[in-house]
Order: sequence, then C-alpha cells, then structure tokens
Amino acid sequence: GAGVSQSPSNKVTEKGKDVELRCDPISGHTALYWYRQRLGQGLEFLIYFQGNSAPDKSGLPSDRFSAERTGESVSTLTIQRTQQEDSAVYLCASSTGTGRYEKLFFGSGTQLSVL
Amino acid sequence: ILNVEQSPQSLHVQEGDSTNFTCSFPSSNFYALHWYRWETAKSPEALFVMTLNGDEKKKGRISATLNTKEGYSYLYIKGSQPEDSATYLCASPYSGAGSYQLTFGKGTKLSVIP
Repeated sequence: GAGVSQSPSNKVTEKGKDVELRCDPISGHTALYWYRQRLGQGLEFLIYFQGNSAPDKSGLPSDRFSAERTGESVSTLTIQRTQQEDSAVYLCASSTGTGRYEKLFFGSGTQLSVL
Repeated sequence: ILNVEQSPQSLHVQEGDSTNFTCSFPSSNFYALHWYRWETAKSPEALFVMTLNGDEKKKGRISATLNTKEGYSYLYIKGSQPEDSATYLCASPYSGAGSYQLTFGKGTKLSVIP
C-alpha cells in the first residue's frame, strides 16, 4: 500500500512569509507525528496527533507554528512569519498506536529553506 | 525529554568491511530502543524495536544488541555494501501527554566506499 506522503518535497521562501506543509499518513494509522531536523541536529519532536486531536504540542518552538489534522487523515503544519532558524527538514510519521513499541513510518520530508 | 547519544558521528568503511556503532541512553525508566535507517532522499525506515536486556535482533547483515542496565545498544553491519550507506538513528521513548514520544540521537552517518 501507499506509504506516508509529504508535500512539497522542497520549499524555498522569504523571511516573513507563511508556509504550509502537508502530510498524508498511511490509511488507518491513528497516530501522526511531526518532527524536524535542523542542520547538525537530531530529529526534534514538534507535535503529535491521536485521531484529530493534538494532546501533545510541547515540541512546537513558538506560537508561529501550528498544526491541524482532519478526517483522521491529512495533516498540515503551518509556519507563520518564517525565520531563517526555521530552515530544516520537516518529517511526518504515522503509526498504528501511540505506545512505546510502535515503530514509526516516515515520509520523505519537506526541505524548507528560509532566505 | 531524554538524552540519547550516538557515536561516532560519521564513519567511512571499505566495501566488505564489518562495522559497528553505539547508541547510549538513560538506563533509568527504560521502555524501548528503536533503530532507524535514513538513506539520502528517502524516508527513515525502522530497523528494530528492542525492549529486553540482552536482546539481540537481526535483519540480513544488520544486527543489534541491547544492554538496558548500562544504557547502550550496538548496531553491527557485517560485510558492508555501498547500499548500506545511510544515517543510522537510534531513539528511545519518553512519556508525554498520555503517549510516548521518541527522542532521537543525532545519528551515525555511514559511507561505504566501493
């Protein structure tokens, strides 16, 4: 079946512009995660969805970041008034549950470059 | 959030060589240890999820061991091939808001030279 799909694969934007990143998880996966990797850093947790709810937003770095999920499927991550430090690879992942042992299925990411 | 460390940061080996690298994690409140492989321009892919002290998992030429008492895991690749070139990530879950989030290390980037 289809894996996790992310779009766009690359996005170049100017500082101060808003961007929207999209994730289509594997059908039937109830849990959805957003991570990002900035240059030289590890994967950084941003937000997690269980169904359409986001019980853990603790990783969002500022109020410029928001995310939503609809229909227990597609999720969008929105970054308002982008800054250069937002440049990173943004990865979406989904899984069948939210336990300790559930492996994550990742998309191939969106490379965001803020000029 | 946990402190997960990986070493070395990068590694170059010749085709056919065997290699290994390390993941260190807090031994207290241990739940599980995940290994992922991330090839350039592809999606990170799960290799193993390990839970028990002394556990050993194998997938083809890749194997992993787990020591929960001292807080480390080794990933071994036997007879490295160019297609093994990738960044290898380990991660351990921590409890947050009713679920478990993975804290990832920075990865070990492996380059296999033909």
